[in-house]
Amino acid sequence: KQEVTQIPAALSVPEGENLVLNCSFTDSAIYNLQWFRQDPGKGLTSLLLIQSSQREQTSGRLNASLDKSSGRSTLYIAASQPGDSATYLCASFIMIKAAGNKLTFGGGTRVLVKP
Amino acid sequence: GAVVSQHPSWVICKSGTSVKIECRSLDFQATTMFWYRQFPKQSLMLMATSNEGSKATYEQGVEKDKFLINHASLTLSTLTVTSAHPEDSSFYICSARKQLNTEAFFGQGTRLTVV
Repeated sequence: KQEVTQIPAALSVPEGENLVLNCSFTDSAIYNLQWFRQDPGKGLTSLLLIQSSQREQTSGRLNASLDKSSGRSTLYIAASQPGDSATYLCASFIMIKAAGNKLTFGGGTRVLVKP
Repeated sequence: GAVVSQHPSWVICKSGTSVKIECRSLDFQATTMFWYRQFPKQSLMLMATSNEGSKATYEQGVEKDKFLINHASLTLSTLTVTSAHPEDSSFYICSARKQLNTEAFFGQGTRLTVV
C-alpha cells in the first residue's frame, strides 16, 4: 500500500526566502506525481505534474523534482511571497489493475510567509 | 487547465435528511471521477471512484448505502449523503482527469454541516 509523507508539517519563513517542501513515497512504481496548493476552506489547485519518466518540472517560481529510485519529490518555491501562504499537498498516482487507479496524498505542509 | 465545478460549496442540513452534492467537468468528458473526504487539518481520503454508466467502487470502510454515487453522464457525478448525522460533517471534494496520464483537477469542495 502506497504511503506518502510530507515533512515538515508546517513551515514559517520571512518573505523573500526560498521554500523547500519535501515529499516521500514508499512505492516507487508511480505513474506520476502531482503537487497541489490548498487555501483554507477551498479545493485543490494543481501546481505541477511530473510524469514517472521525468526528473523535474518548472512553472514560474515553482520547480518540482522527482527521484523515483529514492521515493522522493521536492517542491521549490523561489523568492516566497505572502500570497504563497497555503497548504501544499503532494500526491502519487499509481495504476493497479486489481485495486484501481489511486491518487494517494501526503499529509500536507502548511506554509506561512511573513511579510 | 480543465475546470471541475462542485455544487453547493456549503450546505447545512438537519440530522436524518439527505444531501446531494454535484460534481461537473465543464470542458471535458470524464469517464471516471473521484470523491474525497477531508477532516480539519488532515489530508484527503479517497472515498470512492465513480464510473460513468456503472457502479461506483468504494474504498474499504466507506458505506456504499450511506454515500450513494451516481455517474449518469460523462460530465456529471453526484454524491448523496443519506440519513446524514453530525459525524458526516466534513469537507467533500471531487476530482476528475481527462486521461490517466494527465493532471487531476479538483472541484472547489463542499462543506457539509449536519446539525
